[in-house]
Amino acid sequence: ETGVTQTPRHLVMGMTNKKSLKCEQHLGHNAMYWYKQSAKKPLELMFVYNFKEQTENNSVPSRFSPECPNSSHLFLHLHTLQPEDSALYLCASSQDGGAGVSYNEQFFGPGTRLTVL
Amino acid sequence: KNQVEQSPQSLIILEGKNCTLQCNYTVSPFSNLRWYKQDTGRGPVSLTIMTFSENTKSNGRYTATLDADTKQSSLHITASQLSDSASYICVVSLFMDSNYQLIWGAGTKLIIKP
Repeated sequence: ETGVTQTPRHLVMGMTNKKSLKCEQHLGHNAMYWYKQSAKKPLELMFVYNFKEQTENNSVPSRFSPECPNSSHLFLHLHTLQPEDSALYLCASSQDGGAGVSYNEQFFGPGTRLTVL
Repeated sequence: KNQVEQSPQSLIILEGKNCTLQCNYTVSPFSNLRWYKQDTGRGPVSLTIMTFSENTKSNGRYTATLDADTKQSSLHITASQLSDSASYICVVSLFMDSNYQLIWGAGTKLIIKP
């Protein structure tokens, strides 16, 4: 195990539902990330948090709302999603001393497979 | 434009055979290059990291090479095992405006058949 857990592992939701993805890291890292992984496409960085502060938002639609209550937990709140949002959502963490993406290795959780009907 | 291209998109080989995966990048200014292995149903796990001055780095049966002049990297897998079946992702980082940015490749899906 990588020390990063994600729940749920699978989620099916309708376009009008509200759901949340949870990520927890047990590595003592201070940076956490949300990525979207679609089939045959590169990982897309969505959000970056350093020391609980959001430092990057890569033009992500407002139907995705992140929350980072502390350095160990990260949430992604989902609301009125579209079918094209179906993908694997990966959480990662790393040790970092500054803002933005870290130079250091990122440790990934197993992901949440999201299907939007 | 900063890009990372991986080839082939997918590859099937027999157990015990060797294979080489390619990564070409147009990233500048270059900081480092990582190879990740992603098993089905899991997140990516780092295999190697290479900086500008490193040409070769090994991790068990995995050997990564880097040619910073031609902006190419390869990942060679020796004596493949069934557990090597996975996607292999090349990631190049650049440092600009006091921030790091990661440019991800789309990955190569490797299937090892018995």
